[in-house]
Amino acid sequence: LAKTTQPISMDSYEGQEVNITCSHNNIATNDYITWYQQFPSQGPRFIIQGYKTKVTNEVASLFIPADRKSSTLSLPRVSLSDTAVYYCLVGDKAAGNKLTFGGGTRVLVKP
Amino acid sequence: ETGVTQSPTHLIKTRGQQVTLRCSSQSGHNTVSWYQQALGQGPQFIFQYYREEENGRGNFPPRFSGLQFPNYSSELNVNALELDDSALYLCASSELASPTGELFFGEGSRLTVL
Repeated sequence: LAKTTQPISMDSYEGQEVNITCSHNNIATNDYITWYQQFPSQGPRFIIQGYKTKVTNEVASLFIPADRKSSTLSLPRVSLSDTAVYYCLVGDKAAGNKLTFGGGTRVLVKP
Repeated sequence: ETGVTQSPTHLIKTRGQQVTLRCSSQSGHNTVSWYQQALGQGPQFIFQYYREEENGRGNFPPRFSGLQFPNYSSELNVNALELDDSALYLCASSELASPTGELFFGEGSRLTVL
C-alpha cells in the first residue's frame, strides 16, 4: 500500500481557505486517494475521494496533478467547527476499507 | 450520526484480563472493520469481517480476534491484555460493493489497561 506524508499540523483563521497537501510518491495505477476528517472523541468521517484531476463536493475539493504523486485537499472558508484531524489515504478500492491511517494533519481554526 | 453503535463507551481492565467490545453496523452494510487508535495517532487496521468470515487482517497478534454475526453485528475480543492495548477501538461498517469503499465509523470504545 502506498505510504503517505502530510504535515503534522496547520493553523488557519475563520473564513480562510485551508489547503492540505499529501505526498504519495509510490501510488499505484489502481489506487484512489481518500480523505477523512476526525473530531476529538469521534470516529473518522469520509470527506472526499478522487483518482485524478479535480473532484468537488459540498464540503471540499480535491486536486490531483497528472503524475498523481501528491494531492491537495482544499477546505473553502473554514469555520471553527472545521478544527479536526484530516487523514489522507491511498489504496485501491478493493482494499479501500482495510486501510491503515497515517498520522494525519491537525488543523486548528482560530477566530 | 453514522448508524454504527459501539459498546461499552469506556472500560478499564487490568493486565492479563480479557475484553469483548461490541459493534452494531449500519443497516444494509455487510462488512465490519475494527481499528485501534492510540492517543495522538491515526487508526490502525486490525481486521475486517465480511459475511461472518475474516476478510483481511492487519499487523496484530492472534490474541486479537473477532466475530461477525448473521445480522452483521460484530465483536472484538482481546485476550491477555497488555498496557499498550490502551486505546480507542473503532468499529466501521461498509458495503463491500461500495463505489468508494467509504467507512462509517462508530464513536469508539475507550479501553484503559492498568
